[in-house]
This record gives sequence, structure tokens and C-alpha cells, in this order.
Amino acid sequence: KAGVTQTPRYLIKTRGQQVTLSCSPISGHRSVSWYQQTPGQGLQFLFEYFSETQRNKGNFPGRFSGRQFSNSRSEMNVSTLELGDSALYLCASRRAAGNTGELFFGEGSRLTVL
Amino acid sequence: TQLLEQSPQFLSIQEGENLTVYCNSSSVFSSLQWYRQEPGEGPVLLVTVVTGGEVKKLKRLTFQFGDARKDSSLHITAAQPGDTGLYLCAGGRRDDSWGKLQFGAGTQVVVTP
Repeated sequence: KAGVTQTPRYLIKTRGQQVTLSCSPISGHRSVSWYQQTPGQGLQFLFEYFSETQRNKGNFPGRFSGRQFSNSRSEMNVSTLELGDSALYLCASRRAAGNTGELFFGEGSRLTVL
Repeated sequence: TQLLEQSPQFLSIQEGENLTVYCNSSSVFSSLQWYRQEPGEGPVLLVTVVTGGEVKKLKRLTFQFGDARKDSSLHITAAQPGDTGLYLCAGGRRDDSWGKLQFGAGTQVVVTP
């Protein structure tokens, strides 16, 4: 079956702009999590959605937001981009509840902010 | 500040050698997972351990979860070039929601022929 699909794969923006990233989870997976990966900080949790509801949020400023649609697809938005937002943004979907379930990651969206 | 500290940060070895990667924390986790990430791809789950003292073997890979559920190790026997990648440990805490994992910064492993 198809894996987690993220679009776009690469994008370049300038400071002050905003960006929207999209994630289509594996069919049947209702939980979608977003992570930011940078060389210095590793993977940092952004937020998680389940059944269109945000279940948890990481320690990121309000410029980072997300949503989930009824078909479980998710989007995240970053407004007023800063240089430090340059990173690989990973989306992961999960089938099982609880923290022992496997996270299936997409290939990520690499954002460069100039 | 990383909740999970991985060591070493980088490991370069010859094919056939053994290696161990460590993942330590002062916090207790209800589950501990290990992922491997290759360039241009997302992390892929290798194993999940949930019981203190648990040992799991996956071919040449051996995973241990500490008795107190605060630390874990990954041991690779007779490493092969295909083992090259970024190894990430990730902990799930009982009071966190389902999709939230605490990741270590990762250990970059390079196995040369």
C-alpha cells in the first residue's frame, strides 16, 4: 500500500513569507504527527492530530499551526518565516493508539528560508 | 535540551566490526523505539521495547531496554555497509499523547567496506 506522502519535497522561501506543507497518511491511519528535523536539534515534535482534533502540541511558537481534514490528510502552516525555520519537516502517520504504535514517516519537505 | 541523549554522535567503522549506540535519559519512558534514517528518506522503525530489562534481537541487531526504563542500547554485530545510516532512539511517555515521541539527536553510523 502507498506510504505517507508529503508535498512539496523541496521549497525555498524568503523571510516574512508563509508556507503550507501537506501530508497524506497511509490509508486507514487516523493519527498524523509533525516533526521538525534540524542538524543541531534532531527531531522536535510539532503537533499531532487525530480525527481532525489536535491532541498535543510541542514547544513551538504560534507561527506554527496545523489542521487535519476528514479524510485524515493534514497540513501545517508556518507564517512570518524566519531563517531558523529552515529544516526538514517530517510527517508521520500511526494506526494504533498508545505510544507503542509504529510511526510511519514520509520523506519530508525540505524548507529553506533565505 | 534533549530529553534523550545519544552517544556517540558519530561512529565510523570497518565492515565486520561490532558497534554499540547508547541512548540515555533521566526520565522514565513507557516505550522506547529505535529508528534508522537514510539520506533523503524519513526514519524507519527497527524495534519497539516496552518492558524494563527487555532484550530484542533482529538478525545482527540487539536492542536492550534498561531495567529502570531510562536507557537503551543498540548493538550491531559484524556491521555491513548496508547498516550505514542515522540511528535514532525515541521514547514514549505515559502522560504524552499517542503520536508524541521524544527523539534523541541521533548517531550517524558509517560502515566502510
